[in-house]
Amino acid sequence: GQNIDQPTEMTATEGAIVQINCTYQTSGFNGLFWYQQHAGEAPTFLSYNVLDGLEEKGRFSSFLSRSKGYSYLLLKELQMKDSASYLCAAFSGGYNKLIFGAGTRLAVHP
Amino acid sequence: GAVVSQHPSWVICKSGTSVKIECRSLDFQATTMFWYRQFPKQSLMLMATSNEGSKATYEQGVEKDKFLINHASLTLSTLTVTSAHPEDSSFYICSAQRERYEQYFGPGTRLTVT
Repeated sequence: GQNIDQPTEMTATEGAIVQINCTYQTSGFNGLFWYQQHAGEAPTFLSYNVLDGLEEKGRFSSFLSRSKGYSYLLLKELQMKDSASYLCAAFSGGYNKLIFGAGTRLAVHP
Repeated sequence: GAVVSQHPSWVICKSGTSVKIECRSLDFQATTMFWYRQFPKQSLMLMATSNEGSKATYEQGVEKDKFLINHASLTLSTLTVTSAHPEDSSFYICSAQRERYEQYFGPGTRLTVT
């Protein structure tokens, strides 16, 4: 089957670091995407991992372990504007579609 | 690059009427476009996959006669919600696939059926 799990909510302090975990079970897995979505807006692309390891892009990093079916998104130097939902999505090559998790709502406090 | 637009951004219609939503890839050709629906505080639910020049592939539980999808060109896909009812009120988002797996999302269309 297809299944994506991520925590429902997280809170963090401005300036801190937060890690959002995601586990997945997807047939024909062909990569893991992270998207950011502010309330009432469409998702915006953050990262894409297809090989094992860490991809760093500014304050955001994403990690993938294909053998463990596990990914995380790491946000550093948190800012208030980082308060949003973060969606983990696995690409199923067999079905040519993204399977989305329910999203993690992150609240950043001063 | 990789800009996707949707029109309209919001629409209010009366129950029983039909509404058409357009999704355009502005600076690239997309052989595949996807239509999602999102209810408040929930994640995106894929409704259908739209391939240029062929019939759309609908997800289980999505009524193809109610949600008509037309992918007439490599830059345009339309979703028509026919005989809309209040329970169809939702946020509809399209995405366009540029390279093999990358999807770029439109800004979404908020539909309210009264």
